[in-house]
Amino acid sequence: QVQLVESGGGVVQPGKSLTLSCVGSGFSFKTYAIHWVRQAPGKGLEWVAFISFDGGRSYYKDSMEGRFTTSRDNSRNTVSLHLTSLRSEDTGRYYCVKDGFSYGWGYLDHWGQGTVVSVS
Amino acid sequence: QSLLTQSPSISAAPGQKVTISCSGTSSNIGNNFVSWYQHLPGKVPKLLIYDNDKRPSGIPDRFSGSKSGSSASLDITGLQTADEAVYYCGTWDTSLTPAFIFGGGTHLTVL
Repeated sequence: QVQLVESGGGVVQPGKSLTLSCVGSGFSFKTYAIHWVRQAPGKGLEWVAFISFDGGRSYYKDSMEGRFTTSRDNSRNTVSLHLTSLRSEDTGRYYCVKDGFSYGWGYLDHWGQGTVVSVS
Repeated sequence: QSLLTQSPSISAAPGQKVTISCSGTSSNIGNNFVSWYQHLPGKVPKLLIYDNDKRPSGIPDRFSGSKSGSSASLDITGLQTADEAVYYCGTWDTSLTPAFIFGGGTHLTVL
């Protein structure tokens, strides 16, 4: 079955950096795009970033462009999200999510359990 | 403030039907597929509907989606207490750099 396992969350001071990782299994990792979605405490879902199946394209929510960078290593079935210049409003649970459309971009069909980032 | 507008909350009795609406624009819903997600308390969000009206395997046919113009809807029939959750619509916005967007979420209470 499809599994996505995030790691790397923790408590970090404002202005510092953190790298989140996501390992995928149970599907052809190299043929699917991956998204990052976060949820701040008491708030709704917020899409953060997208990386294409081959890492050739990445998109970010406007407010995060320039501070967050996503990359992938298909030989290790891993996607990373590098967070810099962290702010208190970046606090939340970060989910790694598989796109449902092979070789393209569409909908978010399988979600990891998430990893928690706390900026304080 | 989200580009996709959802009512913050809705309530209904068990066995009833509810419709959750999601309003957008031509740069998002109007020209892209819509998906719906169910977020149960303490759980991971789950895909309910994709490509406007398709159900992933395992999703009961009590859940159905539709789209018209720049709006979309999620219908839930035969409401159960287990359906109490926050429901989000989602789609791509392609006005500038592509970005996936969620609605603000609708909290469903089954009384």
